[in-house]
Amino acid sequence: EDQVTQSPEALRLQEGESSSLNCSYTVSGLRGLFWYRQDPGKGPEFLFTLYSAGEEKEKERLKATLTKKESFLHITAPKPEDSATYLCAVQAGGGSYIPTFGRGTSLIVHP
Amino acid sequence: DSGVTQTPKHLITATGQRVTLRCSPRSGDLSVYWYQQSLDQGLQFLIHYYNGEERAKGNILERFSAQQFPDLHSELNLSSLELGDSALYFCASSVAASATNEKLFFGSGTQLSVL
Repeated sequence: EDQVTQSPEALRLQEGESSSLNCSYTVSGLRGLFWYRQDPGKGPEFLFTLYSAGEEKEKERLKATLTKKESFLHITAPKPEDSATYLCAVQAGGGSYIPTFGRGTSLIVHP
Repeated sequence: DSGVTQTPKHLITATGQRVTLRCSPRSGDLSVYWYQQSLDQGLQFLIHYYNGEERAKGNILERFSAQQFPDLHSELNLSSLELGDSALYFCASSVAASATNEKLFFGSGTQLSVL
């Protein structure tokens, strides 16, 4: 069974204090790993897709990286508007194409 | 704005009742996915429809059913409601028949409270 574990569950940062969120996964043949951002009262919003170990993608203050067992979402010099829950999802190879989501990391950035 | 519309935004009902949640996908998207999000379970996949046909089922209870209509909107029907059914229900859409390497566009969700 595909498993996705995100840590920490919650993270509080001061504005400008860089950090990383972790997504560990167990899947038979990774087809893709997705990062989403979810604001309170809204649905998840797509950020990145990573396909193979060693791949990196960046968007503004966010950088996602992928290894064979985990992915990191690095947040550089965060701002209060980066506060949100960040969700990781994995898609396995084979017949099942439905992404399995982790429970997310709730990030709060204080000004 | 993702382009996915869900109604109603909030729903309060009593145990034993039946409700219908509605989802209109983005223009041009043929796939609709339903997810349930609760504090203790995270985002759980329920069911997927593509162009009117059921394509995949997840942890969907027998009391729950869904369909996708010819105009591609979808409805999720929840019956014999229990307190534990209280959750956020999201629908998401995409273009293709499967979500392979494809991002999903989520609606803002329906918050269901069963009292």
